[in-house]
Amino acid sequence: DQQVKQNSPSLSVQEGRISILNCDYTNSMFDYFLWYKKYPAEGPTFLISISSIKDKNEDGRFTVFLNKSAKHLSLHIVPSQPGDSAVYFCAASESTGNQFYFGTGTSLTVIP
Amino acid sequence: DAGITQSPRHKVTETGTPVTLRCHQTENHRYMYWYRQDPGHGLRLIHYSYGVKDTDKGEVSDGYSVSRSKTEDFLLTLESATSSQTSVYFCAISEFRYYEQYFGPGTRLTVT
Repeated sequence: DQQVKQNSPSLSVQEGRISILNCDYTNSMFDYFLWYKKYPAEGPTFLISISSIKDKNEDGRFTVFLNKSAKHLSLHIVPSQPGDSAVYFCAASESTGNQFYFGTGTSLTVIP
Repeated sequence: DAGITQSPRHKVTETGTPVTLRCHQTENHRYMYWYRQDPGHGLRLIHYSYGVKDTDKGEVSDGYSVSRSKTEDFLLTLESATSSQTSVYFCAISEFRYYEQYFGPGTRLTVT
């Protein structure tokens, strides 16, 4: 039973435009969320996080938005660059839990 | 980059043989994790450790065992490999339980 879902397996965006990657979760107890980026043949790399006490967190070109009532978070990349082409995973956890639950990933392609 | 290595990086083995994967860290982080990545499933937690000799099961632990005799090493053992255990295995570490994790480069395991 997938508690964290990324319903778009792939996304293509023109260089310089905004990329929006979406993630939904079912467990209302989740209160900490992460985004990871993964290049082929490498391990995932931590990108940005957000706690449920916030609805937005920004780090350079990357912004994560959290809508707790909709159980939805999104990652915005502005402006998108070809080097951003990778698979992006969202992950969620609850503070009393023991693990993060990962989505299935969205493959982003930024077209030069 | 966090100092995490995994060995071997690639392995092909036959059904029924035992296999041990090694994760080594130089960060002195308390928490260590083993995940598997499969198409359509994202990353799923197999086992994790919260200290030397302290381990617990994740969501897909059947057929796997782990050991941690030193802070820096976390071993994953498939006692009798099956074709369903063909996957890419990632080790991760984190300083605190409820915190972002840093991943190793992965081990691609093929069970024939």
